[in-house]
Amino acid sequence: GAGVSQSPSNKVTEKGKDVELRCDPISGHTALYWYRQSLGQGLEFLIYFQGNSAPDKSGLPSDRFSAERTGGSVSTLTIQRTQQEDSAVYLCASSLKRDTDTQYFGPGTRLTVL
Amino acid sequence: GENVEQHPSTLSVQEGDSAVIKCTYSDSASNYFPWYKQELGKRPQLIIDIRSNVGEKKDQRIAVTLNKTAKHFSLHITETQPEDSAVYFCAASPRRAGSYQLTFGKGTKLSVIP
Repeated sequence: GAGVSQSPSNKVTEKGKDVELRCDPISGHTALYWYRQSLGQGLEFLIYFQGNSAPDKSGLPSDRFSAERTGGSVSTLTIQRTQQEDSAVYLCASSLKRDTDTQYFGPGTRLTVL
Repeated sequence: GENVEQHPSTLSVQEGDSAVIKCTYSDSASNYFPWYKQELGKRPQLIIDIRSNVGEKKDQRIAVTLNKTAKHFSLHITETQPEDSAVYFCAASPRRAGSYQLTFGKGTKLSVIP
């Protein structure tokens, strides 16, 4: 079946602009996670959603970052007033439910802030 | 919160030799430890995982060992092949309320020399 998909694959923006990154999880997966991978670094947790529960936003680095998940499926990560340090690959992952082990990753969106 | 340290950051081995990557974690409540392989420009993919009620797990040329007392776990790849060249990430999760996300190590770049 189809895996996790993300769009766009690449995004170049100017400092100060807002960007939206999209994630389509695997059909039927109720848990969805966003991670950020900076060059040469590991994956840094940002936020996760589980069904209709309130999201865990504990990893968001600043209030410029927000995310929503509509209808328990597609998720959008929004970064307002982008800064150069926001440049990274943003990865989305989904799992069948929150305490199910395997998280399946999407291909990521490479964000470059000029 | 959880902190995961991973060593070494780079590792070069001759084809056919073994490779070992080690990780330590800080949260004694962590009970799930996956390993992901990420090839250049591609998404992370789960290669093996272990739970806290198991000390060792093998899957063909790959094995993972866990020492809960010392809070460390290791990935062992035997009979390495050029296609094993990639960045490997360890991760840990307590999988309890509010902590379902994975905390990743910074990765090990493995190069297998033909």
